[in-house]
Amino acid sequence: KAGVTQTPRYLIKTRGQQVTLSCSPISGHRSVSWYQQTPGQGLQFLFEYFSETQRNKGNFPGRFSGRQFSNSRSEMNVSTLELGDSALYLCASTVQGRDEQYFGPGTRLTVT
Amino acid sequence: GDSVTQMEGPVTLSEEAFLTINCTYTATGYPSLFWYVQYPGEGLQLLLKATKADDKGSNKGFEATYRKETTSFHLEKGSVQVSDSAVYFCALSDNGGMGRRALTFGSGTRLQVQP
Repeated sequence: KAGVTQTPRYLIKTRGQQVTLSCSPISGHRSVSWYQQTPGQGLQFLFEYFSETQRNKGNFPGRFSGRQFSNSRSEMNVSTLELGDSALYLCASTVQGRDEQYFGPGTRLTVT
Repeated sequence: GDSVTQMEGPVTLSEEAFLTINCTYTATGYPSLFWYVQYPGEGLQLLLKATKADDKGSNKGFEATYRKETTSFHLEKGSVQVSDSAVYFCALSDNGGMGRRALTFGSGTRLQVQP
């Protein structure tokens, strides 16, 4: 069974631009979560989607948004990029009713 | 809110040495506990989990026991290898009701194993 895939793997954007990241969960997994990893703040929860609905949200500004499609694939969007948004963005999927999350390789976003 | 505290790294060991990475947590409910490992340039891999008090998770020679009385979930391995060099994260699952899932992570502990 294929793992969680994320595209693109690397991105370079300019401050003020917006960016969209994509995540395809493991087949059969309907819950998708997003995390931001930075050297200073570590791993922080962004949001979780299940059945195309945001079910849980972390403490991030409204510039960070996401959505989930009927095939469980998910996208996250960051608008008006700031230098501090440079990070590794990780997507994870989960089987309904289970706690363990399976992570993709991440998208490395650099904002210049 | 929930939190996870891990020992500071890096931890430097010789091959075949015994490994302990300490992890303690604060949570209002009864969380599930996890250890994840991250190799350079990669995402997180689930190493092991425990869902209730006194459960022992184990995988690839690594073990951790869910200790509710001390709110701890220390990671151990009897004999480390160079290939175990990575960053290890302790995490808990906040079941926020209605099936919600959000992992709270510790700051990570870098392990360096020398031949």
